[in-house]
Amino acid sequence: AQSVAQPEDQVNVAEGNPLTVKCTYSVSGNPYLFWYVQYPNRGLQFLLKYITGDNLVKGSYGFEAEFNKSQTSFHLKKPSALVSDSALYFCAVSARDTGRRALTFGSGTRLQVQP
Amino acid sequence: DAGVIQSPRHEVTEMGQEVTLRCKPISGHDYLFWYRQTMMRGLELLIYFNNNVPIDDSGMPEDRFSAKMPNASFSTLKIQPSEPRDSAVYFCASSLRNLVLRDVGKNIQYFGAGTRLSVL
Repeated sequence: AQSVAQPEDQVNVAEGNPLTVKCTYSVSGNPYLFWYVQYPNRGLQFLLKYITGDNLVKGSYGFEAEFNKSQTSFHLKKPSALVSDSALYFCAVSARDTGRRALTFGSGTRLQVQP
Repeated sequence: DAGVIQSPRHEVTEMGQEVTLRCKPISGHDYLFWYRQTMMRGLELLIYFNNNVPIDDSGMPEDRFSAKMPNASFSTLKIQPSEPRDSAVYFCASSLRNLVLRDVGKNIQYFGAGTRLSVL
């Protein structure tokens, strides 16, 4: 079975400071890894994904994530946070080798960026 | 494309009533997913389809829930009879299988805005 852990329910950061939202995963074989963002009363929006290749993945709105196979992590980062980045962030995994297309989501981390 | 379209956006019903949620996936997408989001359980996959065929319905809570995809452009999630514990936001998502890994647009699930269901 595959699983995702987001150990922090909430992350607080001051505007302009770097931010990190943590994610670790468990999956059989090689993973597809994703980050999604959810704004209030909206559906999830895709931010970025790791399929293969470079471990550092760049996505929308200046976000990036680093795939670390040995630590089974896929932390989301941004060099300089904006107040508008405040939202709920979900990490998700699917098993590339099995062909199963469904995503398993983490519990979500609420990012609060203070002015 | 207008994206994944779900209707209704909000549904309030009484316990015991039948509820039907609707989803129109992005044109050309061959996978469709139904998720449920609650505070207690987070985002849960209920069922997903490939080319209109159900592939995995292990997340469907019980027999009161059923999902159909009669054609490539329409899917329904039905709850009969509904119960207060079914109150949640239900999301539909669609994606296109990545046949060529270079195409970074594929393998991404695109979500609808959701249906907020309240069962009184």
